[in-house]
Amino acid sequence: KAGVTQTPRYLIKTRGQQVTLSCSPISGHRSVSWYQQTPGQGLQFLFEYFSETQRNKGNFPGRFSGRQFSNSRSEMNVSTLELGDSALYLCASSNTRNTGELFFGEGSRLTVL
Amino acid sequence: QKEVEQDPGPLSVPEGAIVSLNCTYSNSAFQYFMWYRQYSRKGPELLMYTYSSGNKEDGRFTAQVDKSSKYISLFIRDSQPSDSATYLCAMSAVQTSGSRLTFGEGTQLTVNP
Repeated sequence: KAGVTQTPRYLIKTRGQQVTLSCSPISGHRSVSWYQQTPGQGLQFLFEYFSETQRNKGNFPGRFSGRQFSNSRSEMNVSTLELGDSALYLCASSNTRNTGELFFGEGSRLTVL
Repeated sequence: QKEVEQDPGPLSVPEGAIVSLNCTYSNSAFQYFMWYRQYSRKGPELLMYTYSSGNKEDGRFTAQVDKSSKYISLFIRDSQPSDSATYLCAMSAVQTSGSRLTFGEGTQLTVNP
């Protein structure tokens, strides 16, 4: 069974640009969540989608957005990039509604110059 | 103050040692407690999952939760070089929180042959 796939793995952007990251969950998993990982803050929850609906949202500014498609694939977008957005963005999928059993992808490492 | 506190280490031990990793938390609503392991350049993978207080054992790994003290631990017996990774504690509140986990900063562990 294929794991969670995230693309692109690495990318470099400049301040003010926008970026779109993609995530393909494990087949059959309907929940997709996104986390930001930085050395100082650790993993922080961005948002979660379940059956194309945003079910939960973390404390990030509106520049961070996401969506989920009917095949459960998800994208997240960050507009007007800032230097502080440099991070590893992790996508996780789950087939269990209410537990912490998440399956993470390897992440998309974003560098903002 | 962070909701979940975890000593980032680094922690270095000889092969065969018993390793103790700990997290404290402040949110008494947390009911689900997890330990994730993250190898370098990889996404986190679920190692242990416990609900409420008590102990759970899986091979060389034992997870303990003490809700009265708001303290959780992970013990690794007979540690191996392959255990070298960053260990992240994670917690979740009520069932409706879905995939919204609150993570500790992670403890970097090195097991030396």
